[in-house]
Amino acid sequence: NAGVTQTPKFQVLKTGQSMTLQCAQDMNHNSMYWYRQDPGMGLRLIYYSASEGTTDKGEVPNGYNVSRLNKREFSLRLESAAPSQTSVYFCASSTVGESSDNEQFFGPGTRLTVL
Amino acid sequence: AQSVSQHNHHVILSEAASLELGCNYSYGGTVNLFWYVQYPGQHLQLLLKYFSGDPLVKGIKGFEAEFIKSKFSFNLRKPSVQWSDTAEYFCAVRDYGNNRLAFGKGNQVVVIP
Repeated sequence: NAGVTQTPKFQVLKTGQSMTLQCAQDMNHNSMYWYRQDPGMGLRLIYYSASEGTTDKGEVPNGYNVSRLNKREFSLRLESAAPSQTSVYFCASSTVGESSDNEQFFGPGTRLTVL
Repeated sequence: AQSVSQHNHHVILSEAASLELGCNYSYGGTVNLFWYVQYPGQHLQLLLKYFSGDPLVKGIKGFEAEFIKSKFSFNLRKPSVQWSDTAEYFCAVRDYGNNRLAFGKGNQVVVIP
C-alpha cells in the first residue's frame, strides 16, 4: 500500500516550458487535490476533484490545468511555466462524507523551479 | 470562505520546554479540525483531528489539542518538546459538507537540544 505517490520529485524548467505533474493513490479515495506550498504562505489549493469525472478550481488556479484520468490518477499541467510557479507541489486524496475517517493523505511532493 | 489564523510563525524553544500553538478560524457552524506536521524535507502527516465528542483530542507523539467552539480555536499543545519535534505545524479546518480544507500559514518550530 503506497498511499499517494507523485512524480517527478524534482524538476527544473525554463520560462515558457510545459510539464505535467503526476499523482496516483491506491486507497480507493474519491476526492483528490493539488496544493502548492510557498514559504510563509501555508498550503493553497490549486484544483480539486471531488469525484472521478469532476474538477473544480481552488484558491490559486491561474496558470494550471488538471485532469482526473480515472479514480486513481489526478494530474496537474503547467502549459507555460513562469518563475512565479516555482514552488513545492503536493497532491492529496481523501474519502467523501462526514465520517471521522475523512482526512486528507498527502504525497511526498514535487519541488519545481522555473528559471 | 473559511480562513485560518496561526500566530507566531517562528517559534524557538529548548528541549523539555512546553509548546502551545494557536489556531483560530473565521466562522462557526459545524467544522472538522486538523493539525498536520511536516518534518524537514518530508510531506505532511496528520498529527491529530477533531470531528465530534470530547473537545480535548490526543494525537501522536504526545501532542494534544483543545477545541473551544466559543473562541473558534483549536490550539495545539505538548508539555515537553524534544529535538525531534523540530518541524512546521499546520492547522486546517473543514466546513461540514465540504471536502475542502483551509490551511493556516504554519508555525515553524525549532527545538534546540
